Amino acid sequence: SQQGEEDPQALSIQEGENATMNCSYKTSINNLQWYRQNSGRGLVHLILIRSNEREKHSGRLRVTLDTSKKSSSLLITASRAADTASYFCASMNSGYSTLTFGKGTMLLVSP
Amino acid sequence: DAGVIQSPRHEVTEMGQEVTLRCKPISGHNSLFWYRQTMMRGLELLIYFNNNVPIDDSGMPEDRFSAKMPNASFSTLKIQPSEPRDSAVYFCASSFVPGQGATRETQYFGPGTRLLVL
Repeated sequence: SQQGEEDPQALSIQEGENATMNCSYKTSINNLQWYRQNSGRGLVHLILIRSNEREKHSGRLRVTLDTSKKSSSLLITASRAADTASYFCASMNSGYSTLTFGKGTMLLVSP
Repeated sequence: DAGVIQSPRHEVTEMGQEVTLRCKPISGHNSLFWYRQTMMRGLELLIYFNNNVPIDDSGMPEDRFSAKMPNASFSTLKIQPSEPRDSAVYFCASSFVPGQGATRETQYFGPGTRLLVL
């Protein structure tokens, strides 16, 4: 079963706006990762945040992690039409074995 | 590097037929994962291998599904006999773990095989 749950399921914004996606998970984690999937393609790793980190940046991406609430958020600043894709969070369990993916947020960025 | 390679990219078959999906992981990676993606269930882990050995196949739906990894550069996922409910996109992913006890981190996904069972 999917442990991660993304919110919202779909998000539609204009170019230049910021997009925020949230993710919740259920068990103790070693790290949490965000992936992007363009239509008809495989998933591409975006960013990883470890359980002892609270915030991480990579370019226009900002990820936060709140282990007390078992939640994470992904912020994409100054969005572009090319950011249109589905975004998935994936939690790596404390046993360091597998990733558990959420069902994703579909982001549509209109020019 | 060519990335993870999967074949075929698309497969249309009739119920009852055998389907074989193939995957070539990134050279040097020692972990390989098979996932299935559907609209209803999202992305599900079917099985994963570490150093060519199956570690956890608890996600394999039933005995009709089997997976092998005869060497570090090749894996197959076989469905026999196939059923319409097996229609999905099947992804292969690979990663590298530096040593025992080290964390598996980033996974690299192939483009997927879109399977339609009629």
